[in-house]
Amino acid sequence: KNQVEQSPQSLIILEGKNCTLQCNYTVSPFSNLRWYKQDTGRGPVSLTIMTFSENTKSNGRYTATLDADTKQSSLHITASQLSDSASYICVVSANNAGNMLTFGGGTRLMVKP
Amino acid sequence: NAGVMQNPRHLVRRRGQEARLRCSPMKGHSHVYWYRQLPEEGLKFMVYLQKENIIDESGMPKERFSAEFPKEGPSILRIQQVVRGDSAAYFCASSPDSTGIYGYTFGSGTRLTVV
Repeated sequence: KNQVEQSPQSLIILEGKNCTLQCNYTVSPFSNLRWYKQDTGRGPVSLTIMTFSENTKSNGRYTATLDADTKQSSLHITASQLSDSASYICVVSANNAGNMLTFGGGTRLMVKP
Repeated sequence: NAGVMQNPRHLVRRRGQEARLRCSPMKGHSHVYWYRQLPEEGLKFMVYLQKENIIDESGMPKERFSAEFPKEGPSILRIQQVVRGDSAAYFCASSPDSTGIYGYTFGSGTRLTVV
């Protein structure tokens, strides 16, 4: 069964600090992994996408890593801002027909001044 | 390009009524996915449709729920005889093809409240 587990479930940090969110997955056959940011009351917005051969992908202050051997990914946020407060969702795509997306439960990040 | 449009944004229904949620995909996208998000939980897959066809409905409850994506017009998620447990946010995403390599764009969701 395809699964995506994220940790921690929630996280509180001070503005300006860095943080790292984790994602472990068991999805086969693996196609790609995305990190989404979901603000309260909004739909998810894509931050990064990585395929099997990519180890690191950056988008501004967001840097995602992927270890396809251990089936782990991380999302590192540097110099956090209040606007980073949101849920961060790891989504893994399988390379097959039908529904290909498996969603993690998300990490709820709160950045405090 | 207005992105994925969902309406209504908020929908209140009494128990036993019908709820109809609409999703207009991005221009050029013919693949639509519906997800349900319960409070404080992650998104759960419901159904994947391509124009006029249901490709995968493995996440949709067998009773009371149905979905369609007609040749013309938006995709519709229909919930008959709603119950309190149906209260959730329902998100729609679209993509231009079945591979997903071009990404998925999500709408802002419809928040259904059953009273």
